[in-house]
This record gives sequence, C-alpha cells and structure tokens, in this order.
Amino acid sequence: SQTIHQWPATLVQPVGSPLSLECTVEGTSNPNLYWYRQAAGRGLQLLFYSVGIGQISSEVPQNLSASRPQDRQFILSSKKLLLSDSGFYLCAWRAAGRMNTEAFFGQGTRLTVV
Amino acid sequence: DQQVKQNSPSLSVQEGRISILNCDYTNSMFDYFLWYKKYPAEGPTFLISISSIKDKNEDGRFTVFLNKSAKHLSLHIVPSQPGDSAVYFCAASTGSARQLTFGSGTQLTVLP
Repeated sequence: SQTIHQWPATLVQPVGSPLSLECTVEGTSNPNLYWYRQAAGRGLQLLFYSVGIGQISSEVPQNLSASRPQDRQFILSSKKLLLSDSGFYLCAWRAAGRMNTEAFFGQGTRLTVV
Repeated sequence: DQQVKQNSPSLSVQEGRISILNCDYTNSMFDYFLWYKKYPAEGPTFLISISSIKDKNEDGRFTVFLNKSAKHLSLHIVPSQPGDSAVYFCAASTGSARQLTFGSGTQLTVLP
C-alpha cells in the first residue's frame, strides 16, 4: 500500500532563517506531488506541484521554492523566512496518468515563524 | 478568483440528525468533485467523490449530491456522530488538470 511521510511535524523558526521541509512517498511510482498551505482559518492553497523529477510548477509567487530531486521525494524550501510564512504545510500525492483520482495527504508540518 | 466556494464557515448539528455541507463552483470545466475531512494538526483524509456523469454517490453514512446546472454539490452525513466533528473541504478537478482546487472549508460540530 502507498504511504506518505512528511517531517518535521512542528517547527519554530526565527525570521530570516532558512527552511527545508521534506516529503517522501512509498509504494507508488512517478506520482504527482503537491505542496499546500493552510493559513490560520483559511482553506488549502496550492503552492507547488510536480509531475516528474526536476519538474516544478509554482502556483503562487512567494518566498518559497520546491524541488524534486528523486521520483518520490519533494522538498519545500526558503532561504529567508518571513512572518507571513507561518502556517500548516501539507504534502500530497496523486496517481499520474489516471483521471478522476483522489489526492492523499501527509500529516502536515506546523511552521511558526517568530 | 475562488473557483470553489464553501460559504458556510461553520455548522452545528445535533447527534443523530443530518448534516448538510454545501459547496459551489464557478468553473464549468470541473468534472470530478471530492470531499475531504480534516482534524486539527492532521492532513485531510479523503471521504467521497463524484464524477460529473453522476448526480449522486453514496458510501455508508455519506452521500454526495451534484447539481451541474446549479454548479452546486452537497455532502450529507446521516446520522451525524460526535466523531464527525471536523473541517470539511470540497475540492474539484478537470479531467486534464493535475491539481485539485479546494474550497475554504466548513467546520462541522456535532453536539452530543
């Protein structure tokens, strides 16, 4: 069966510090991978998605970047965090090449920038 | 431009009664719709979906209804249980799109 791992679960970082959140998927090949953010009291905002190694699409221009160095690994990064980067970050995967499929989410990372 | 809207941020229902969560969309190209449930500090979990070729899909206590002419879908939970208390997100996709577009969520509280 497929599983998705996301870490760390919580993170407190000072303004101006770098960020690296990691997500890995097991049990599937060539998945579509996604990073979402849920700000306090808000819905799920798509930040980045990837359909293959090294292929990244950005949905919202901001202080963050994403990379996919391996087929089942997706990384969210920032060189210098802002207070507005605080939120709940979610990684998700979806089967590629199939229509009408659900996305599966990791447990999320609560990021607080202080 | 919000393509998927959940206009009720919260809903309270008595245990045993029906919960009805609503969702509206504006993009007529959407042809696949999903509902997710989310507890605090956890990732959303998939509940139920419906293709645009159907107008109803059932799975146990959960039923999703789709009204394409009104661009509206709803999730019915019968009977509601306290463990159903969570935030519910609707999401939509087109056949060719790689991503899901989510609504802003509705907090459901089931009162014992």
